[in-house]
Amino acid sequence: GAGVSQTPSNKVTEKGKYVELRCDPISGHTALYWYRQSLGQGPEFLIYFQGTGAADDSGLPNDRFFAVRPEGSVSTLKIQRTERGDSAVYLCASSPPGGESNQPQHFGDGTRLSIL
Amino acid sequence: AQSVSQHNHHVILSEAASLELGCNYSYGGTVNLFWYVQYPGQHLQLLLKYFSGDPLVKGIKGFEAEFIKSKFSFNLRKPSVQWSDTAEYFCAVFLKLSFGAGTTVTVRA
Repeated sequence: GAGVSQTPSNKVTEKGKYVELRCDPISGHTALYWYRQSLGQGPEFLIYFQGTGAADDSGLPNDRFFAVRPEGSVSTLKIQRTERGDSAVYLCASSPPGGESNQPQHFGDGTRLSIL
Repeated sequence: AQSVSQHNHHVILSEAASLELGCNYSYGGTVNLFWYVQYPGQHLQLLLKYFSGDPLVKGIKGFEAEFIKSKFSFNLRKPSVQWSDTAEYFCAVFLKLSFGAGTTVTVRA
């Protein structure tokens, strides 16, 4: 079946620009997670949605980062005034209902963001 | 706060060798533990998980992991690796999956 889909797969932009990264979770999955993975590091948690609401956004590094999930399905991660340090692979994961702590997360292929 | 540390950054083995990757976490409460694998060019996939019960957990592709609560460890093992096991391996702790830095395993044919 279809897995988690992330678009675009690669994004190159100039410092200071605005970017949007999209995540299509697996159909029926209620929880959605965003992570950021820098070179040589493990994924770092950014934000977690349960349905339409952000249940935990404690991982967002600053107010340039924002994410939405207006209809409880597709999510968009938005980065304003991008900086070179934002360059990383942004991963999205989703998990089915039934107690998020007991459900493994299914990951997309990620969006590789490069800020020039 | 919870954190995860993986002992080895890069491991190189010959086929048929045994593999053990160390993972320690720092969190005093009940934890759910995972090992994820990322094969070259692919997305992260779940290898195995521990929530409760038998501390020796069997996963896919012959992998297993042992949860030792007193040592805050969840080490991954495989008795005999294959070339196809070349990948990056991440230990993770729930909820918002705190990942270790990862261990790259290279298996030489």
